[in-house]
Amino acid sequence: DAGITQSPRHKVTETGTPVTLRCHQTENHRYMYWYRQDPGHGLRLIHYSYGVKDTDKGEVSDGYSVSRSKTEDFLLTLESATSSQTSVYFCAISDQGANTEAFFGQGTRLTVV
Amino acid sequence: AQSVTQLDSHVSVSEGTPVLLRCNYSSSYSPSLFWYVQHPNKGLQLLLKYTSAATLVKGINGFEAEFKKSETSFHLTKPSAHMSDAAEYFCVVSDRRNFNKFYFGSGTKLNVKP
Repeated sequence: DAGITQSPRHKVTETGTPVTLRCHQTENHRYMYWYRQDPGHGLRLIHYSYGVKDTDKGEVSDGYSVSRSKTEDFLLTLESATSSQTSVYFCAISDQGANTEAFFGQGTRLTVV
Repeated sequence: AQSVTQLDSHVSVSEGTPVLLRCNYSSSYSPSLFWYVQHPNKGLQLLLKYTSAATLVKGINGFEAEFKKSETSFHLTKPSAHMSDAAEYFCVVSDRRNFNKFYFGSGTKLNVKP
């Protein structure tokens, strides 16, 4: 299994509080991604990174920010959590090159109450 | 732009019968296509990927997918369903010209009846 660790695995937080999710990889892959999974929507891309300090928005980025200060770590921050951000969050990594698959972490279940 | 459409949100089959999960893709150039499986409360596991070397792709656990350019399809099949195949399946296209961003279909939940 690819070395991807997400933390925490579960979190319950209150509306309006900041939350940071961490993704750590040991594969030295260039690309890292944050997705959210909601019923009927598959996985949707929140933000991605193509190198240290190089990040960009995905299709559902409102209310989220990211940072990547080291190759191995990619942080997702909810600046002020809302109930609509209750979801399962997956981190993924991918190496460069065509037809390269993504490897996924085990997910973080976040509940905003 | 890259996108995929999974044509069935739920598929139900009996154990031992064939499985067909349908996926159509949209891509402005030769696509990179994948099927992933997610068992309940688990992460995502790669079943197979299309690498353009062959149109019929074999994956794990007896699954196969056929790439048909003329139909823009990449359907997933298995000759004989097993109870352990019950899971959610995702068809995925990656944008290899744009940081390998992966775009997911909405998923197909496969139910296998005894």
